[in-house]
Amino acid sequence: AQRVTQPEKLLSVFKGAPVELKCNYSYSGSPELFWYVQYSRQRLQLLLRHISRESIKGFTADLNKGETSFHLKKPFAQEEDSAMYYCALKYGSNYQLIWGAGTKLIIKP
Amino acid sequence: GAGVSQSPRYKVAKRGQDVALRCDPISGHVSLFWYQQALGQGPEFLTYFQNEAQLDKSGLPSDRFFAERPEGSVSTLKIQRTQQEDSAVYLCASSPFRVGTEAFFGQGTRLTVV
Repeated sequence: AQRVTQPEKLLSVFKGAPVELKCNYSYSGSPELFWYVQYSRQRLQLLLRHISRESIKGFTADLNKGETSFHLKKPFAQEEDSAMYYCALKYGSNYQLIWGAGTKLIIKP
Repeated sequence: GAGVSQSPRYKVAKRGQDVALRCDPISGHVSLFWYQQALGQGPEFLTYFQNEAQLDKSGLPSDRFFAERPEGSVSTLKIQRTQQEDSAVYLCASSPFRVGTEAFFGQGTRLTVV
């Protein structure tokens, strides 16, 4: 069965330090993965998707099929990056997503 | 505003009470989704509408849950005879596409069953 695992419930790093939010997935089909972010008192929103191979707000994520991972990385964390981050896997039809439990990222000044 | 609007933002219900949660999607959006998010978990898919048609309700946890979108715009999620395990944040999202990954989310309704 498909599953998304975010092993860290909480990640705390200092401003300017590198950040890596881990995401591992289990899926027998061709995976399509996404990162969503929810800033304090704001709505859940799409951050980036692996098929776009884009960098958003300095964040990148590479799909590693061998390790079944889609870790989110940023070389230099900023205080405004503090938020909840969710990894999600699209499976089946175009609208079905399965989500990880989320990682709360705290950037310390 | 132009975003997805959900009401009420907070709802406290006594066990056994029926509740109705409303979602006003972005005007013109074809797709509408409902998710349930328990404390400390990610969202879980409940149901999907394309216009007024409910194409998938496989995520609804029991027959106490019912969703409708009669005119292809506003949607209501109804929970009958609420139980404590129904306590969660209920998220609505809409999309101009028939693809769930590009959806815009509402702020959610936090339901607490006491």
